[in-house]
Order: sequence, then C-alpha cells, then structure tokens
Amino acid sequence: RKEVEQDPGPFNVPEGATVAFNCTYSNSASQSFFWYRQDCRKEPKLLMSVYSSGNEDGRFTAQLNRASQYISLLIRDSKLSDSATYLCVVNKDDKIIFGKGTRLHILP
Amino acid sequence: NAGVTQTPKFQVLKTGQSMTLQCAQDMNHEYMSWYRQDPGMGLRLIHYSVGAGITDQGEVPNGYNVSRSTTEDFPLRLLSAAPSQTSVYFCASSEGQAKYQPQHFGDGTRLSIL
Repeated sequence: RKEVEQDPGPFNVPEGATVAFNCTYSNSASQSFFWYRQDCRKEPKLLMSVYSSGNEDGRFTAQLNRASQYISLLIRDSKLSDSATYLCVVNKDDKIIFGKGTRLHILP
Repeated sequence: NAGVTQTPKFQVLKTGQSMTLQCAQDMNHEYMSWYRQDPGMGLRLIHYSVGAGITDQGEVPNGYNVSRSTTEDFPLRLLSAAPSQTSVYFCASSEGQAKYQPQHFGDGTRLSIL
C-alpha cells in the first residue's frame, strides 16, 4: 500500500457545486495531516491543516478518520479560482510525504 | 520578505555533468527539504534536514547529495547528472518540528538533462 493515496481525477465540477476528495494513508503512527493546493507550474501552498475533530475554513472543511486512515476535503460553493491540484500531506516521523494530488476543474 | 529562494530557476545539463541547486531561507527555519516533481508522480522527498549539521534520506535519495552547514542554506548536488533526473525540484522549509508546521516552498528549479 502506498504511503499516501489520492484519486488523481480530474474532477470536472460546475461552478457553485460541492466537491469532496478523500486521501488514504498507510502509517497508523502519522500525527500530522495537511491539504495543500498547487496551481499549474507553481509551488504548492498550504490550504489548511487537518485536526482530529475536523475543521473548517470558509468554504473548505477538512476531516480526519484515524480508524480508517483517511482524510477528506470538502469544498462548498466552488469558484472558478478553486481550479487547481489538491495535495494530501501526511508525516512519517520527520518525513513529510505528499500524495500525487487530485486535479479539480471548475466549469463555468 | 524573501522566504525560500531557489537558484537557478531553469537549467539544462548534459549527461554526466555535475551541478548544485541552491536553496536559501531567511526565516530561521530549522527544517529544510528537497522534493522532485514529475508528471503523474507527485512530489517525492529526496533529502531533508532537521537542523544545521543534520541531514537524512527521503524516498528517492540516489544520485543526490546534500549538506547543511548553516541554518539558512541547503544545497542539493547532482554529482553525475542522468536523464532520469530531469524534473522540477522544490526546496521547502518549516519552523520547529516539520510534522506540525506548514511547509514553505521556493518557486522551483526546472532541470533538463540531455
């Protein structure tokens, strides 16, 4: 099993819709979880951390399920500017491991 | 604020040549790391450092060397470039314990090996 797995997509979603991504991780000892966003030919940037109790930042909601070893990202009322690749990030001791990313296209 | 600075932004090498990718950060971050990103492969960790004088291997360390003589700098060396090392290289840094902190990335170095 790969350390961090994501559905590569692409997800083609109409503007205003809600979209959700999942990410599974293999190391049950992982303690830290993040979602990053990467625009084409740009560097990754932090979108949000993922906390055990779940957390929300505006239109974005992240959740962690330790028992099933997955994290999720929900985007509500999607905007054209949300089009990007979303990267799931998990730690393995001091190593920060990135998933391959899920591509999202918001359609006008 | 400069943040994480990578140089050069673009480079073309011939097979067998050596070069050093530079990475510097001005945020006094303890943790620094190098990733490569290839189409369909995502970001893969090459080497990382938890502080000056300490380095360790990531997922794909073969063909690369690193050193961390200062907190600010974390150069990545290709001793004998191979076409398989054609990629986009990102340097990142974070404060304190990396697993609890967001990673700050440089703009990347686009490297082509002919």
